[in-house]
Amino acid sequence: AQTVTQSQPEMSVQEAETVTLSCTYDTSESDYYLFWYKQPPSRQMILVIRQEAYKQQNATENRFSVNFQKAAKSFSLKISDSQLGDAAMYFCANDMRFGAGTRLTVKP
Amino acid sequence: DAMVIQNPRYQVTQFGKPVTLSCSQTLNHNVMYWYQQKSSQAPKLLFHYYDKDFNNEADTPDNFQSRRPNTSFCFLDIRSPGLGDAAMYLCATSRGLRLGTYEQYFGPGTRLTVT
Repeated sequence: AQTVTQSQPEMSVQEAETVTLSCTYDTSESDYYLFWYKQPPSRQMILVIRQEAYKQQNATENRFSVNFQKAAKSFSLKISDSQLGDAAMYFCANDMRFGAGTRLTVKP
Repeated sequence: DAMVIQNPRYQVTQFGKPVTLSCSQTLNHNVMYWYQQKSSQAPKLLFHYYDKDFNNEADTPDNFQSRRPNTSFCFLDIRSPGLGDAAMYLCATSRGLRLGTYEQYFGPGTRLTVT
């Protein structure tokens, strides 16, 4: 069965600093996709970044980037220059399976 | 703007009284999903439609049913809600000839309270 694990229930970062959220997964598929979603308080979930497993290059979207380690089945999200608006729950996902989420707090 | 809409945003129902949650989309996506999300937990997939094909998760209780009368609309029916069914229900859509390839677009959710 596919599983997604986020081992950090909560993380905190100072505004303008960098933070990394961890995610590991398990899949029997050889070709798959991984996602990070952001769920702000009382707002809908939106896509942050998407990674194709067959691409060796790590995906990047502005201040958001991933460190994809296929052999280790690790897919971490790095947020650079953190902003107050980054405060949210972050979910890692593979196919239709989601991790338990990491609550990110950004301190001014 | 193309979007996923869920109605109502808040629903209160009585124990055992059937309730229906609705979802509509203007994205023309062929896949629609229903998730249950309890406080501080991961969204849990209940079922999804790939076009008209219904796909139920093995551990989704029979109490939960769904209908998709057309591409744009999808409904979640809870036949006899129990206290344990109180949760946020998320509807999502995606493109995709192959599931899991494309990102999902989520609605704002319906928060269900069971009294």
